[in-house]
Amino acid sequence: GQQVMQIPQYQHVQEGEDFTTYCNSSTTLSNIQWYKQRPGGHPVFLIQLVKSGEVKKQKRLTFQFGEAKKNSSLHITATQTTDVGTYFCAHTGGGNKLTFGTGTQLKVEL
Amino acid sequence: SAVISQKPSRDICQRGTSLTIQCQVDSQVTMMFWYRQQPGQSLTLIATANQGSEATYESGFVIDKFPISRPNLTFSTLTVSNMSPEDSSIYLCSVTETGSLFFGSGTQLSVL
Repeated sequence: GQQVMQIPQYQHVQEGEDFTTYCNSSTTLSNIQWYKQRPGGHPVFLIQLVKSGEVKKQKRLTFQFGEAKKNSSLHITATQTTDVGTYFCAHTGGGNKLTFGTGTQLKVEL
Repeated sequence: SAVISQKPSRDICQRGTSLTIQCQVDSQVTMMFWYRQQPGQSLTLIATANQGSEATYESGFVIDKFPISRPNLTFSTLTVSNMSPEDSSIYLCSVTETGSLFFGSGTQLSVL
């Protein structure tokens, strides 16, 4: 599957600031999934979006799938130190295989 | 969600040697996936391990370098053969449930 690009690659924020990572594809995606990988850990599934324009929330996290299903975003409100990690988007391509985005590494400073 | 046990968690190996990574799942699953994550990079799918048939490899990965076994529906191994420093990575096994992936804890491999 085609790898999707994520921006930014790195983001440093002060605790309490908001954070957004964007996932962009040149082709229409069947779905988008988001994973979080803590430093030294393995990726953990957060959520899946399927519908055009879909928005889902998990506490301080808001996930959005674009109307054209070519982009997605993850927004964290009022970051905390527990939000530190790398956030990956991923999509299902041919053969039901999951292809991961390039990732955004988030660091939160007190 | 499935519980996946992967071992070893880390190893340091000499070039030219081979390492076999084991992945045990607490439930029967049709497909298991092996990913590689090079330092600071994203995850790249190596192959899909199918029970009862040969693994399906992605472009850039070959069976001679990464032989995979899948003897039953709860277990798989990945061997990294004839290792070189370029093989230093984290190797992760995963299974799918309702379309999302659940990962083992990973094997951090360093090749000297």
